[in-house]
Amino acid sequence: EVQLVESGGGLVQPGGSLRLSCAASGFTFSNYGMSWVRQAPGKGLEWVSGFSGSGHSTYYADSVKGRFTISRDNSKNTLYLQMNSLRDEDTAVYHCAKTKRTSNDWEFDYWGQGTLVTVSS
Amino acid sequence: DIQMTQSPSSLSASVGDRVTITCRASQSISSYLNWYQQKPGKAPKLLIYAASSLQSGVPSRFSGSGSGTDFTLTISSLQPEDFATYYCQHSYITPLGFGGGTKVEIK
Repeated sequence: EVQLVESGGGLVQPGGSLRLSCAASGFTFSNYGMSWVRQAPGKGLEWVSGFSGSGHSTYYADSVKGRFTISRDNSKNTLYLQMNSLRDEDTAVYHCAKTKRTSNDWEFDYWGQGTLVTVSS
Repeated sequence: DIQMTQSPSSLSASVGDRVTITCRASQSISSYLNWYQQKPGKAPKLLIYAASSLQSGVPSRFSGSGSGTDFTLTISSLQPEDFATYYCQHSYITPLGFGGGTKVEIK
């Protein structure tokens, strides 16, 4: 059974940093693209960052480029999101999501329940 | 960036109704369009990928159609468990984009 479990969220002041983790199980992690998708309270979904299906290329939304860094450790089956220079508008539940296929496609067939990041002074 | 526009933003319907939600892309995305269902406090669930392919385990009352810029999600006979918010997402190119969502409520 595929499982994605996020951790690392919490309350942080504007300008602060946080690192999110997503522990994956139930599939061959290194074969699939992975992404972070966030949802601000009461709002819709926003793609944040992702690895392509090849697992080597990384991509970012303009809103986080230069502040967030996505990484993965295939030996630990874990996806990370390093978030620096956090802003109020980064407040959201952050989900990790797995791509459905091993090719360079971006449909997400499994999602974690998410971890809440609150940026506030 | 490609913008995704969903309509309506909300709708009220009864059990058994046929429901149609539309999604428009700001430029052609071929068939790189996916649909998700999200219930309160839960993670999104993939329903339809590549515009019209039904994800494994999803009931056949859900269907998707369209290509280019205009897409449709149809629920042929609304069931009580279908009351949720639905999102379209393009997977044509990064940055990926989601529609604003359509909340399906009980009439």
